[in-house]
Amino acid sequence: AQSVTQLDSHVSVSEGTPVLLRCNYSSSYSPSLFWYVQHPNKGLQLLLKYTSAATLVKGINGFEAEFKKSETSFHLTKPSAHMSDAAEYFCVVSEEAAGNKLTFGGGTRVLVKP
Amino acid sequence: NAGVTQTPKFQVLKTGQSMTLQCAQDMNHNSMYWYRQDPGMGLRLIYYSASEGTTDKGEVPNGYNVSRLNKREFSLRLESAAPSQTSVYFCASSEMGRHNEKLFFGSGTQLSVL
Repeated sequence: AQSVTQLDSHVSVSEGTPVLLRCNYSSSYSPSLFWYVQHPNKGLQLLLKYTSAATLVKGINGFEAEFKKSETSFHLTKPSAHMSDAAEYFCVVSEEAAGNKLTFGGGTRVLVKP
Repeated sequence: NAGVTQTPKFQVLKTGQSMTLQCAQDMNHNSMYWYRQDPGMGLRLIYYSASEGTTDKGEVPNGYNVSRLNKREFSLRLESAAPSQTSVYFCASSEMGRHNEKLFFGSGTQLSVL
């Protein structure tokens, strides 16, 4: 069965400093992995996805994530935080054995300080 | 570009009342989904429709019914609302319903059941 754990419920960074959001997953087969972002009072938006191609995945707004099978991790990073990055971020796993269903992590809320 | 449109945005119900949440997409997508979002729990799938004319239960279907009215519209009905159904509800769509496909989300309905 698939599952995903986001290791931090809240992360606080200063504008211009790096952002690291940690995600570990459990999957019986080759998973697809996603990061979605939710800005206040908005729906979720896809940041990036991994589907067994390159292990380093680049997304929108300067974010990237690295798939590490040996560590079952898919951490999200950004070199320099911007005020507009303040939002909630969700790590998501999916596998064909689960019949097209996504499993969401509990979310990490990012606060960006000026 | 409307994308996925949900109505209403906010609703307050009394225990035992019924209501229908409406969702429409204008992207000609085959698959549509209803999720609920509760603090610290990410999003959980209530029901989905892989294609017009089909619906299937997700992770938390109890207390809900759905109707895929046509390719564009997918409604969620609460027959007898309970306080445990207080949540934020999101409708989403995807082109083909594959496990590694991008989801497009509406902006949500905040429902309170008193």
